[in-house]
Amino acid sequence: KAGVTQTPRYLIKTRGQQVTLSCSPISGHRSVSWYQQTPGQGLQFLFEYFSETQRNKGNFPGRFSGRQFSNSRSEMNVSTLELGDSALYLCASNRGSSGNEQFFGPGTRLTVL
Amino acid sequence: QQQVKQSPQSLIVQKGGIPIINCAYENTAFDYFPWYQQFPGKGPALLIAIRPDVSEKKEGRFTISFNKSAKQFSLHIMDSQPGDSATYFCAASKLGQGAQKLVFGQGTRLTINP
Repeated sequence: KAGVTQTPRYLIKTRGQQVTLSCSPISGHRSVSWYQQTPGQGLQFLFEYFSETQRNKGNFPGRFSGRQFSNSRSEMNVSTLELGDSALYLCASNRGSSGNEQFFGPGTRLTVL
Repeated sequence: QQQVKQSPQSLIVQKGGIPIINCAYENTAFDYFPWYQQFPGKGPALLIAIRPDVSEKKEGRFTISFNKSAKQFSLHIMDSQPGDSATYFCAASKLGQGAQKLVFGQGTRLTINP
């Protein structure tokens, strides 16, 4: 069974630009969560999508948004990029039922210059 | 109330030793406590998880000890090997509701010397 895949793996943008990151969950998984990982703040929850609906949200500004498609694939978008948005963005999937075992992808390394 | 505090930040142990990583949480509503292992360039991978109705869980060389009254839990790695060198994260969340929001500790960089 293929794992969680994320594209692109690396991205360099400049301040003020916007970016879209993509995540394909494990087949059969209906929940996709996004996390931001930085050396200073660690792993922080961004949001979770289940059946194309945002089911939970972390404490990030509205510049961070996401969506989920009918095939459970998800995208997250960051608008008006700031230097502090440089991070590893991780996507995790699970079946979406009561069990919380999440499977993480390798992440997208975003660098904002 | 949503924090999970993890210590130490880094740990160096000789091969065969037993590294211990500790975590403490505040929110008594948390009822799922996983540990993740992350190698450079990879996403975190689930190692072992525990729920508060048990005080200890073992899977291979990895053991979680859980103290509900103290709101603390810890990871022990028996017979540690150089291949265990990685960053370890504890986390907590609330089951039910279907929400998948994990609150992570800050991580422990573990080095096992040969």
